[in-house]
Amino acid sequence: QQQVKQSPQSLIVQKGGISIINCAYENTAFDYFPWYQQFPGKGPALLIAIRPDVSEKKEGRFTISFNKSAKQFSLHIMDSQPGDSATYFCAASRGSSNTGKLIFGQGTTLQVKP
Amino acid sequence: DTEVTQTPKHLVMGMTNKKSLKCEQHMGHRAMYWYKQKAKKPPELMFVYSYEKLSINESVPSRFSPECPNSSLLNLHLHALQPEDSALYLCASSQDLGLATNEQFFGPGTRLTVL
Repeated sequence: QQQVKQSPQSLIVQKGGISIINCAYENTAFDYFPWYQQFPGKGPALLIAIRPDVSEKKEGRFTISFNKSAKQFSLHIMDSQPGDSATYFCAASRGSSNTGKLIFGQGTTLQVKP
Repeated sequence: DTEVTQTPKHLVMGMTNKKSLKCEQHMGHRAMYWYKQKAKKPPELMFVYSYEKLSINESVPSRFSPECPNSSLLNLHLHALQPEDSALYLCASSQDLGLATNEQFFGPGTRLTVL
């Protein structure tokens, strides 16, 4: 019940296309859902995050869609660029838990072809 | 300053060595974390410190010993490691625990190789 399932494992998109990464969770107590972007040899960087009281959040070319009833959330990267090529991790946590624990998905390696 | 720094960037050590990893943040965050990340895998939580006290130990072997000397610094002392401990060790910090948004900021990591 603590798992976050992420798909696909890898994704190849043409420049200018839309990249879509999906995550699903079981624990309805989760109330914070961030996405992290990680380049090779670097630490993960927070990209965008959402709470379950909104169904969508947009920041530039990055959008999170959240479906509370289906317990799913997804990252959409519009107008994908070669510089977006990285590994993306979704995560979930329970803010009230006082542990700070983030439960990560397994990651998606995105390659954007020029 | 919205940065978490980690030293060294790379570390190679033998199984009998003792070494330390260092992490620093000047964002006034009161929660700090150590993660271990293997290639092509997500970060795995090792330890959580809150207000300089150890809050969570995720059943990490005693050859890893964390220390939080002050609110800005976090160390990870390494002793008698095994080759399977080779990984990227990440430090992170967040404003506090128990917040609605647990925004964690990660450092660049220390690439550790155990021979």
